[in-house]
Amino acid sequence: GENVEQHPSTLSVQEGDSAVIKCTYSDSASNYFPWYKQELGKRPQLIIDIRSNVGEKKDQRIAVTLNKTAKHFSLHITETQPEDSAVYFCAASIIGNQFYFGTGTSLTVIP
Amino acid sequence: DADVTQTPRNRITKTGKRIMLECSQTKGHDRMYWYRQDPGLGLRLIYYSFDVKDINKGEISDGYSVSRQAQAKFSLSLESAIPNQTALYFCATSDVGQGQETQYFGPGTRLLVL
Repeated sequence: GENVEQHPSTLSVQEGDSAVIKCTYSDSASNYFPWYKQELGKRPQLIIDIRSNVGEKKDQRIAVTLNKTAKHFSLHITETQPEDSAVYFCAASIIGNQFYFGTGTSLTVIP
Repeated sequence: DADVTQTPRNRITKTGKRIMLECSQTKGHDRMYWYRQDPGLGLRLIYYSFDVKDINKGEISDGYSVSRQAQAKFSLSLESAIPNQTALYFCATSDVGQGQETQYFGPGTRLLVL
């Protein structure tokens, strides 16, 4: 099955700086890559996703990039704010099949 | 997301007891999932169901069983609970369309096995 690795496990940044979280996957058939954000004590929620036919996708301060050849994808958060503090999970799937989640990155934005 | 609910929200039980965690959804989705979350291990899939007659094992199904009673209900059972099943359990539903699939998670059930 698919194996998704996520780094770093913890990340601290100053408010206003950028944060980057990286994931790698093993199954070249995977074609859908969502990112979920889990605030403390809350449930995970989808924040952005990318399909394998797209190299980059942006939504305001967040962006995701995908390198299919290298089998890795990254989440970029610019101009970080305290409310960005959360655990972020990447996932990989073949659309319509089960998700394989990474182990999560705990992001702390220091005011 | 109030559309996906889980009961109970917290549960303490003893080793060897049978317990059931319940999940209900009003989203009308066919697909439902059970995950467990442990610190440092992320979200791991226990079982999933793509419709009422479909049940599939996930990566960590040993020690668990499920029942899909209706499109809206998906229950997870621990037949004989053990301490290493202490975890946060999430139910999720999903809808696939236009090359995208969003999973909607319930609020979670925090389980402690003594």
